[in-house]
Amino acid sequence: DAGVIQSPRHEVTEMGQEVTLRCKPISGHNSLFWYRQTMMRGLELLIYFNNNVPIDDSGMPEDRFSAKMPNASFSTLKIQPSEPRDSAVYFCASSLQGSYNEQFFGPGTRLTVL
Amino acid sequence: AQTVTQSQPEMSVQEAETVTLSCTYDTSESNYYLFWYKQPPSRQMILVIRQEAYKQQNATENRFSVNFQKAAKSFSLKISDSQLGDTAMYFCAFMKQTGANNLFFGTGTRLTVIP
Repeated sequence: DAGVIQSPRHEVTEMGQEVTLRCKPISGHNSLFWYRQTMMRGLELLIYFNNNVPIDDSGMPEDRFSAKMPNASFSTLKIQPSEPRDSAVYFCASSLQGSYNEQFFGPGTRLTVL
Repeated sequence: AQTVTQSQPEMSVQEAETVTLSCTYDTSESNYYLFWYKQPPSRQMILVIRQEAYKQQNATENRFSVNFQKAAKSFSLKISDSQLGDTAMYFCAFMKQTGANNLFFGTGTRLTVIP
């Protein structure tokens, strides 16, 4: 199994630009999570999906952030317009709802907004 | 709301020695899972060990073991025979057993294994 795939691995952009982060979960997993890691706030949940449906987006910082999961094998996190304070590592994780609920993480996308 | 506290921002240990990382949590849930994740410099999040709250027996995975004290809401990680490859950030995390299955993370402990 290839594991959770995220792209790009690194993204450098200028303030005001649109940024789209992509995630392919592990095949067969039905839960997908977007986390953000910063020095100040640590690891925090942004949004998660069960069976492609957004369940909890209370962690999305503001309207500039949006996430979609059009099918079971693909999700995007979009920031428009981006700001320097959005600079962080963004992780996607997937799991199969069950007794262990183990989440498998992707390698993360390091976003730098200048 | 669930909170996870790791009170040791940094720790170091000599190679081959044993080290214990602390974690406490706060929740009103009766059933939940606890995890320790390792994040090496590659930044990949790797599951080290997990514990189901309904199990009294402490989980063990090779050199890694936990001391789970449910009444005290404490979940420490012991690493025996520390190896250089254990150098990483370690995150304690909590997950409810029912309902929302997202992880709540502590702030992490940076562990350095000294040769």
